Amino acid sequence: AQKVTQAQTEISVVEKEDVTLDCVYETRDTTYYLFWYKQPPSGELVFLIRRNSFDEQNEISGRYSWNFQKSTSSFNFTITASQVVDSAVYFCALSEALGYSTLTFGKGTMLLVSP
Amino acid sequence: EAQVTQNPRYLITVTGKKLTVTCSQNMNHEYMSWYRQDPGLGLRQIYYSMNVEVTDKGDVPEGYKVSRKEKRNFPLILESPSPNQTSLYFCASSFTGNRETQYFGPGTRLLVL
Repeated sequence: AQKVTQAQTEISVVEKEDVTLDCVYETRDTTYYLFWYKQPPSGELVFLIRRNSFDEQNEISGRYSWNFQKSTSSFNFTITASQVVDSAVYFCALSEALGYSTLTFGKGTMLLVSP
Repeated sequence: EAQVTQNPRYLITVTGKKLTVTCSQNMNHEYMSWYRQDPGLGLRQIYYSMNVEVTDKGDVPEGYKVSRKEKRNFPLILESPSPNQTSLYFCASSFTGNRETQYFGPGTRLLVL
């Protein structure tokens, strides 16, 4: 069965600090998909990134970057020079490719960025 | 504007009183799903639908029903709500399934007394 672990329940940083949110996953599939979503205090879920298991290139989007390492089954998310607007709950999620498997979410990491 | 809409956004009800939460998407997506979010548990999938008239159980289907009579709509039905169904509910859609990016509705906060 697939599983996603976000061991950090809550992280507090001061503005302009860099912060990394960890995501470790388990799956029996060789083909799978990983996602990150952001949930700001307003409650909606905002898609950030999708990555398939064959693409191990790291990705950078502005202040956001993602480090995918199949060897350690991790898909970590780094925010550089954090801002107060980054305060949110961040979810990592996994979907296997075979059949119609469910999308499994981690329990989320609450990031609090203070001025 | 491409979006997933849910109604109502907030609902307070009593145990046993049937309710329906509607979900509609305007992106012509084949796949739709329902999740519930609870503190400390993250999001868990309730039901999903691969296409019209095709639905299947997710991880936590007990106490819920769904139907998919039209491509754009995927209502969630609680026939006899109980307090343990108090939660934040999200509807989502994507083109073909869990492997594709799912776009989420704004959420429905349900309180069952």
